[in-house]
Amino acid sequence: AQSVTQPDIHITVSEGASLELRCNYSYGATPYLFWYVQSPGQGLQLLLKYFSGDTLVQGIKGFEAEFKRSQSSFNLRKPSVHWSDAAEFFCAVGTANTGNQFYFGTGTSLTVIP
Amino acid sequence: DGGITQSPKYLFRKEGQNVTLSCEQNLNHDAMYWYRQDPGQGLRLIYYSQIVNDFQKGDIAEGYSVSREKKESFPLTVTSAQKNPTAFYLCASSMWAKPNTEAFFGQGTRLTVV
Repeated sequence: AQSVTQPDIHITVSEGASLELRCNYSYGATPYLFWYVQSPGQGLQLLLKYFSGDTLVQGIKGFEAEFKRSQSSFNLRKPSVHWSDAAEFFCAVGTANTGNQFYFGTGTSLTVIP
Repeated sequence: DGGITQSPKYLFRKEGQNVTLSCEQNLNHDAMYWYRQDPGQGLRLIYYSQIVNDFQKGDIAEGYSVSREKKESFPLTVTSAQKNPTAFYLCASSMWAKPNTEAFFGQGTRLTVV
């Protein structure tokens, strides 16, 4: 069965510091991978996605993620965090075997310290 | 602009009452989804629909019902059988026949049982 694990429930970083949010997935075929961001009380906004090709993908707001098949990981990174990046981040995997379904991790909450 | 509209943003319900959450999209997407979000649990799939007049149960369908009479609309009814309905509800859509595409989300409805 498909699943997504985000091992870090909450992360706190200082403004200007680098950030890495971890995501591991379980899926038998080639996954379609996504990172979404959610501000409090809002819907989810797509940060970036990976379908195929270059394993390092660039997204909006200066975020990037690297797909590592050998580790079943799709970690999200940002070189320098801004206070406005504080939000909840969700990793998701999409499947193609039974139509287009999406499986989400439990999320990582990011706090940015001034 | 194309997008997904959920209404209302906040909804209060007395115990024992049914309530219907609205979701409309003008993205011409085939697939629509309802997710429930609780703190620390990520997004859990309630129902999804691939085409008009067809829908499938997700992981937590008990106590919920949906309809898909029009491509643009996918309302969710929270029935009195749902034991713990207080949550944040998110509607999403995607192109069903195209697996390598992301889900687009509405802004959510927060339901509170009083």
